[in-house]
Amino acid sequence: QVQLVQSGAEVKKPGASVKVSCKASGYTFTSYGISWVRQAPGQGLEWMGWISAYNGNTNYAQKLQGRVTMTTDTSTSTAYMELRSLRSDDTAVYYCARVYQRGLDVWGKGTTVTVSS
Amino acid sequence: DIVMTQTPLSLSVTPGQPASISCKSSQSLLHSDGKTYLYWYLQKPGQPPQLLIYEVSYRFSGVPDRFSGSGSGTDFTLKISRVEAEDVGVYYCMQSIQLPSFGGGTKVEIK
Repeated sequence: QVQLVQSGAEVKKPGASVKVSCKASGYTFTSYGISWVRQAPGQGLEWMGWISAYNGNTNYAQKLQGRVTMTTDTSTSTAYMELRSLRSDDTAVYYCARVYQRGLDVWGKGTTVTVSS
Repeated sequence: DIVMTQTPLSLSVTPGQPASISCKSSQSLLHSDGKTYLYWYLQKPGQPPQLLIYEVSYRFSGVPDRFSGSGSGTDFTLKISRVEAEDVGVYYCMQSIQLPSFGGGTKVEIK
């Protein structure tokens, strides 16, 4: 079955970087894009960006431009999201999701990133 | 950026009764390709969101037919014809005609 398996929880200090992975299975990885969405504690959903697994093209949310990088490794069907210069308000659950007809049809279970000194 | 506004913020519904959630966008979501890029998701407690409706009114695979979506342009509605206990959670609309953005969410609980 189609699934996205994300890496485990992370605790980081302010100013550090975090890299979250999202391993896809059950479908042809390069036929779909991957979006990243985050959710701060008790808050709503925030779209972070998108990467084409076909050609690596990306679009990022303006507020994260310069701090976020999304990449893929087609040899392992894995997408990555790196966020740099972490701040306390980056504390959130980070989700990857497969892009289907501009919607998001399959979601990973989420990776909790805690930023604390 | 397109702003998505959902109402109400929360809804308490008796099982078997209908429920309706509104979503308004700050710009039309009708693309030149003829499609309208409006989606509905349900996030059940402790789970990631799940896709319910795509392109305004198409139910995603496995979604019960008690869920329906309607609307056009900037005004959209998600309806649940008869709410069941498993429908509790937070419902989000999302647009993707431009870089995606989500509504603030509507929490549905059972009376």
